[in-house]
Amino acid sequence: DAGVIQSPRHEVTEMGQEVTLRCKPISGHNSLFWYRQTMMRGLELLIYFNNNVPIDDSGMPEDRFSAKMPNASFSTLKIQPSEPRDSAVYFCASSFQAGAYNEQFFGPGTRLTVL
Amino acid sequence: DQQVKQNSPSLSVQEGRISILNCDYTNSMFDYFLWYKKYPAEGPTFLISISSIKDKNEDGRFTVFLNKSAKHLSLHIVPSQPGDSAVYFCAASATIAGTYKYIFGTGTRLKVLA
Repeated sequence: DAGVIQSPRHEVTEMGQEVTLRCKPISGHNSLFWYRQTMMRGLELLIYFNNNVPIDDSGMPEDRFSAKMPNASFSTLKIQPSEPRDSAVYFCASSFQAGAYNEQFFGPGTRLTVL
Repeated sequence: DQQVKQNSPSLSVQEGRISILNCDYTNSMFDYFLWYKKYPAEGPTFLISISSIKDKNEDGRFTVFLNKSAKHLSLHIVPSQPGDSAVYFCAASATIAGTYKYIFGTGTRLKVLA
């Protein structure tokens, strides 16, 4: 299996622009997670889906952030408009089920820089 | 408020010696704990876990200890190897009010010196 695939790996954009990050989870995994990594806060869970349905989006920082999972093999995280403080590494992860006892498999991340 | 804390941002250890990475949590509802390892330009990968019903779990060179009363866990690596140099994240999880919670710490960068 190719693992969790994220694109792009790097994104540089200007403040105010729309940014879309993409993720393909591991085939057969029912749960998908979006995280943001910063030096100050470590890995923060933004939102997770179970069977393509958003379950908990309490970690989404603002209305500028939105996430979708139109099918079992694809998810997007969109930031519109982007701001410099959104600069971070964004990880997508998947697991067989969303459960407290299940390990998650992470993608390589997308490094976002907003100028 | 950080519910999972890794108070040491970095740690250096000589090859062959023991590495001890610490993690503290605040919410007593967490009942499962995991350690992930992260190399540069890669995503975190699962390393070892422990349920709250246990106080120790061992896998090869890696052992995780859990002290529930102190809300503290630690990861021991013996013997440490240069390939262990990475950032280690502690994570705590629980199902609270029907919602799955998975909280990571800020990470500890381990450097194993040859």
